[in-house]
Amino acid sequence: EIVMTQSPATLSVSPGERATLSCRASQSVSSNLAWYQQKPGQAPRLLIYGASTRATGIPARFSGSGSGTEFTLTISSLQSEDFAVYYCQQYNNWPLFGGGTKVEIK
Amino acid sequence: QVQLQESGPGLVKPSQTLSLTCTVSGGSISSGGYYWSWIRQHPGKGLEWIGYIYYSGSTYYNPSLKSRVTISVDTSKNQFSLKLSSVTAADTAVYYCARDASQFGGGFDYWGQGTLVTVSS
Repeated sequence: EIVMTQSPATLSVSPGERATLSCRASQSVSSNLAWYQQKPGQAPRLLIYGASTRATGIPARFSGSGSGTEFTLTISSLQSEDFAVYYCQQYNNWPLFGGGTKVEIK
Repeated sequence: QVQLQESGPGLVKPSQTLSLTCTVSGGSISSGGYYWSWIRQHPGKGLEWIGYIYYSGSTYYNPSLKSRVTISVDTSKNQFSLKLSSVTAADTAVYYCARDASQFGGGFDYWGQGTLVTVSS
């Protein structure tokens, strides 16, 4: 059974700074990985699929990279609306989410 | 613009069956290519995929919930439904329906707003 591990659990970043979030799979998921943003009281929003393809309407400051077992979501310059929880999800097998990374204001 | 909306009781008694329906608008379930999923989120916790259905009726469930889950589809109403039997307090969660676009690159690209279901006597 695949396990998805996200790190860190919490990331404190100042507005305008770069944020780097990691997601690791216990076995290869190829490029079958998506990233989501979730704000309190809202449903998750798809940011990235195929490990590196931005979903429709997602700003260019969000980028994804990686393949196999190691993946990264980078937010190049954090805006106020980017403080949220981020989840990775593999779909190489049945869908499985990571535990999430909370990006908070430093 | 595709929209999904969950509906159903917000309170279910222990040992009973949780039943929810997702109504899809702005697109047809029967158009094919997409899987229609249920996902839940325990209070303050992460996301757990429950299962999905294709318009043809083919289903696939999370192995950890498989024995209690049934997902069905009504293409005439553009709806799909979730039944979770023998619920306990551990099934208290926000339940989301979502469209799975894995055949088009991946990811759950449209979500309902979610509905909180509490299991309590």
